[in-house]
Amino acid sequence: EAGVTQSPTHLIKTRGQQATLRCSPISGHTSVYWYQQALGLGLQFLLWYDEGEERNRGNFPPRFSGRQFPNYSSELNVNALELEDSALYLCASSGVFYGYTFGSGTRLTVV
Amino acid sequence: TQLLEQSPQFLSIQEGENLTVYCNSSSVFSSLQWYRQEPGEGPVLLVTVVTGGEVKKLKRLTFQFGDARKDSSLHITAAQPGDTGLYLCAGVYGNKLVFGAGTILRVKS
Repeated sequence: EAGVTQSPTHLIKTRGQQATLRCSPISGHTSVYWYQQALGLGLQFLLWYDEGEERNRGNFPPRFSGRQFPNYSSELNVNALELEDSALYLCASSGVFYGYTFGSGTRLTVV
Repeated sequence: TQLLEQSPQFLSIQEGENLTVYCNSSSVFSSLQWYRQEPGEGPVLLVTVVTGGEVKKLKRLTFQFGDARKDSSLHITAAQPGDTGLYLCAGVYGNKLVFGAGTILRVKS
């Protein structure tokens, strides 16, 4: 079965612009989790979507937002980009109690 | 402040040596998970431990969950260069998974 897929692999944006990151979960999985992995900070929880609804949100400003589509794929939007938003953004599916399956991530660089 | 504290942050050893990585918290977790991440890739789940005192073995890797379910350890026997990577512990907290900052392991041949 196909794993979690993320696109694009790399993204370079200018400060103040908007970035859109995409994720497709494992087929049949309804939940999508987004994490930010900045250098030296580990994985920080961003958002959890399930069945098209936002179920939980991490300690990030409102300019981090997203949505989940009827086919359970998800989109993460980051508005008004700041230099410190540069990070690896990871998407995962699977149940929280049984372990996540992560995608390879999108490397966002803000210049 | 990290909910899960991992130590050491960085470990560089020779091939064949043994090592232990620790994951500690003041909170009780219903389960703890260990992941390994290589550069340019997402973390890959190694194991989930659920019961206090539980020990799980995965070839040369031994995982232990503390009796009080607040801590866990990962022991690698006879480390190999292929074990190089970032090791992350993660605990179920509420309805989300929280991660430690990770331990970077480098095994030199």
